[in-house]
Amino acid sequence: DIQMTQSPPSLSASVGDRVIITCRASQDIKNYLAWFQQKPGKAPQSLIYAAFSLQTGVPSKFSGSGSGTEFTLTISSLQPEDFATYYCQQYDTYPYTFGQGTRLEI
Amino acid sequence: QVQLVESGGGVVQPGGSLRLSCAASGFTFSSYGMHWVRQAPGKGLEWVAVIWNDGSKKFYAGSVKGRFTISRDNFKNTVYLQINSLRDEDTAVYYCAKGSSNWIDHWGQGTLVTVSS
Repeated sequence: DIQMTQSPPSLSASVGDRVIITCRASQDIKNYLAWFQQKPGKAPQSLIYAAFSLQTGVPSKFSGSGSGTEFTLTISSLQPEDFATYYCQQYDTYPYTFGQGTRLEI
Repeated sequence: QVQLVESGGGVVQPGGSLRLSCAASGFTFSSYGMHWVRQAPGKGLEWVAVIWNDGSKKFYAGSVKGRFTISRDNFKNTVYLQINSLRDEDTAVYYCAKGSSNWIDHWGQGTLVTVSS
């Protein structure tokens, strides 16, 4: 199975900050990488697919980049509603696999 | 808009079985693959299974292969997850999710399965 490793596991930031979350795949997954946001007690929400394409309705403050084995999620101008846990997922090969998550805290 | 509503969760004894359902609406169900993803209490997301739009192919996580079966009824716009030989480590919220090409684009609210004697 492809292993997905996110860093950092947790991140403290302030309103207005820009943050970057990194996701590394154990093998080349081309650009078959998605990002999800999950708030406590809620279902995940889809943010990005194909490494950098925004899902419909997702604000442009979220951006993704990377290909191969190294990917990043950047969130600019943090607002209170952005504090959540973020997951990457590869969909290059079955079984699909998620990173362990990055908890973004105030 | 896309709606996915899971049901069928509950408390079950180790070794028991359960069938989860996910009723879909707001899109052409028969055109999209469907996934199940689970999340143990306080843990991260774990992809469980996928079924292609026509039911022709199914894939599973290694941790559930041979015990879980995904299926769908394109007339009822419903996807199912039959879970057998339940173990303590299967305790989780089970989410149904809609595929779009190969990625996941919408999620249900989840149904809780608790394995306990």
